[in-house]
Amino acid sequence: KQEVTQIPAALSVPEGENLVLNCSFTDSAIYNLQWFRQDPGKGLTSLLLIQSSQREQTSGRLNASLDKSSGRSTLYIAASQPGDSATYLCAVKGSNDYKLSFGAGTTVTVRA
Amino acid sequence: DVKVTQSSRYLVKRTGEKVFLECVQDMDHENMFWYRQDPGLGLRLIYFSYDVKMKEKGDIPEGYSVSREKKERFSLILESASTNQTSMYLCASSLSLAGGRHEQYFGPGTRLTVT
Repeated sequence: KQEVTQIPAALSVPEGENLVLNCSFTDSAIYNLQWFRQDPGKGLTSLLLIQSSQREQTSGRLNASLDKSSGRSTLYIAASQPGDSATYLCAVKGSNDYKLSFGAGTTVTVRA
Repeated sequence: DVKVTQSSRYLVKRTGEKVFLECVQDMDHENMFWYRQDPGLGLRLIYFSYDVKMKEKGDIPEGYSVSREKKERFSLILESASTNQTSMYLCASSLSLAGGRHEQYFGPGTRLTVT
């Protein structure tokens, strides 16, 4: 069974600092990995999707890397802003699976 | 843009009531999913459907059933609501294409309270 872990569980940084969020998974036979953002009481917004054959994806200030063999992904957010405060979740889709396996999330607070 | 909508943002029901949660997507996606999210337990898959009238149990199907009569609509049914079903319920959909991205898109969630 796929286990997904996100460390740290919470992070507080001053505005302008770069954020580094980590995600690890136990089964490297994945189809893709998605990073999501969730604001309190709301649904999930997809930020980036990395296919298993890719090493990284970028969107604006966000960059996600994937090292499938070691079972790790990292989400980098450059020059953080208070509006980046949210919970960030990573999820992996198995090669022979419809569903996503989710980590518990990292709650980020960016202080103005 | 893909849009996934859920019928209610907040719902309060009594123990023993039959509860329907509705989800609609507008992008002709084959796959639809129901998750619940609880503090400390994360998101867990209840049921999913890969085609009209097709369904598969997820990790925690007990106490729930689903219905998919039309491609765009996926309903979650609590036959007899119990207090331990108080949770945030999230619906998602994805396109099923060989070699495709299979990116999941989520709705805004329904916060269900069972008293």
